[in-house]
Amino acid sequence: ETGVTQSPTHLIKTRGQQVTLRCSSQSGHNTVSWYQQALGQGPQFIFQYYREEENGRGNFPPRFSGLQFPNYSSELNVNALELDDSALYLCASSSTSGGPKGPRTDTQYFGPGTRLTVL
Amino acid sequence: GENVEQHPSTLSVQEGDSAVIKCTYSDSASNYFPWYKQELGKGPQLIIDIRSNVGEKKDQRIAVTLNKTAKHFSLHITETQPEDSAVYFCAATSTYILTGGGNKLTFGTGTQLKVEL
Repeated sequence: ETGVTQSPTHLIKTRGQQVTLRCSSQSGHNTVSWYQQALGQGPQFIFQYYREEENGRGNFPPRFSGLQFPNYSSELNVNALELDDSALYLCASSSTSGGPKGPRTDTQYFGPGTRLTVL
Repeated sequence: GENVEQHPSTLSVQEGDSAVIKCTYSDSASNYFPWYKQELGKGPQLIIDIRSNVGEKKDQRIAVTLNKTAKHFSLHITETQPEDSAVYFCAATSTYILTGGGNKLTFGTGTQLKVEL
């Protein structure tokens, strides 16, 4: 077990609805990254949060948004759900620290995921 | 951006045999290469990783090699057991946070490993 928790484990929504997924990072970690994993594919990067700010975004539209809270936990919000949003949503926590060449992020540890089904 | 290719997509071995999974990456800025094991219905679990200043790393039955010049890295599992059956993903990233770019993991397409009795 990594210590990264996600809720809920499963979720069923209909097209057009909005959804909020939650992630609690591992103790000592200050960075959360979100990934979408479609069936039979590798995880695709959505975005990363560090110091409560979005720090990098993959090829996902603005209806995918997120938050990071002072305790480093995070939320992923998806508006106007589409059928193609059906996937396993994974969060990964890691530790970012300063270095001579700038901030560095260490190993990402994944949670169990939230299975979202859009009907 | 980074592109990671992974082969084979499926691999079937007999219990006790070795399994090798190979990945190539494209971005010379990548300096960290983790391998994850994913069982059905679960999140990816880190099994081993390697950094660009190291050519080989071993942890019991699992080893990873990295060839920076050729931009490829491989996972080796020896003495395979039925519980090794799962999907394995390689990934590549830079540990430095690029301004506005984060340090996303770019994953390969996965290898379904089946260890048969």
